[in-house]
Amino acid sequence: NAGVTQTPKFQVLKTGQSMTLQCAQDMNHNSMYWYRQDPGMGLRLIYYSASEGTTDKGEVPNGYNVSRLNKREFSLRLESAAPSQTSVYFCASSGTVGANTGELFFGEGSRLTVL
Amino acid sequence: RKEVEQDPGPFNVPEGATVAFNCTYSNSASQSFFWYRQDCRKEPKLLMSVYSSGNEDGRFTAQLNRASQYISLLIRDSKLSDSATYLCPPPATNKLIFGTGTLLAVQP
Repeated sequence: NAGVTQTPKFQVLKTGQSMTLQCAQDMNHNSMYWYRQDPGMGLRLIYYSASEGTTDKGEVPNGYNVSRLNKREFSLRLESAAPSQTSVYFCASSGTVGANTGELFFGEGSRLTVL
Repeated sequence: RKEVEQDPGPFNVPEGATVAFNCTYSNSASQSFFWYRQDCRKEPKLLMSVYSSGNEDGRFTAQLNRASQYISLLIRDSKLSDSATYLCPPPATNKLIFGTGTLLAVQP
């Protein structure tokens, strides 16, 4: 019973490098989300996808791109990493959209350090 | 304006105390509400769902006040292990922007 799986769990980048965080869920959920959480701060929404084939900006989308590859997978790409993107990144999924949000399931997080 | 507002705390309480948090929301159309718990540097996990009639799970009680647009979480007989951040995600929207969460620190 995997739930939401994120890879990698840890990553160190140099400024200007690119990388992609992968997220997959096996619960047939329509909605998927990417959040970042800085030390001592709350979750901030980067991008979300309400259904396969759609993506939308959240609170802090600058410097990121996303792809909803299929219903299972939602990836987050940093094209040119900056130290300000050092954070813990959480992927989440939810089973309903529209008038009701269902229970959210989170991955274990990806800890990214940009030097 | 965020769709949910929480008192960020911290709430510092002694072991055995009763503590309550509220979460106010702006969208009154939702049918589903939840409380989540997040331990330091870990992912948030579901604590309990919040039903219209309220629900209780051991030392935890969740209530919904639809008229005043808030949900509450009551923790009785606080334990050290209850120390965490408590989150209520915004209801009824695809764009799930969280509030700050409420930090609880239970002191020995």
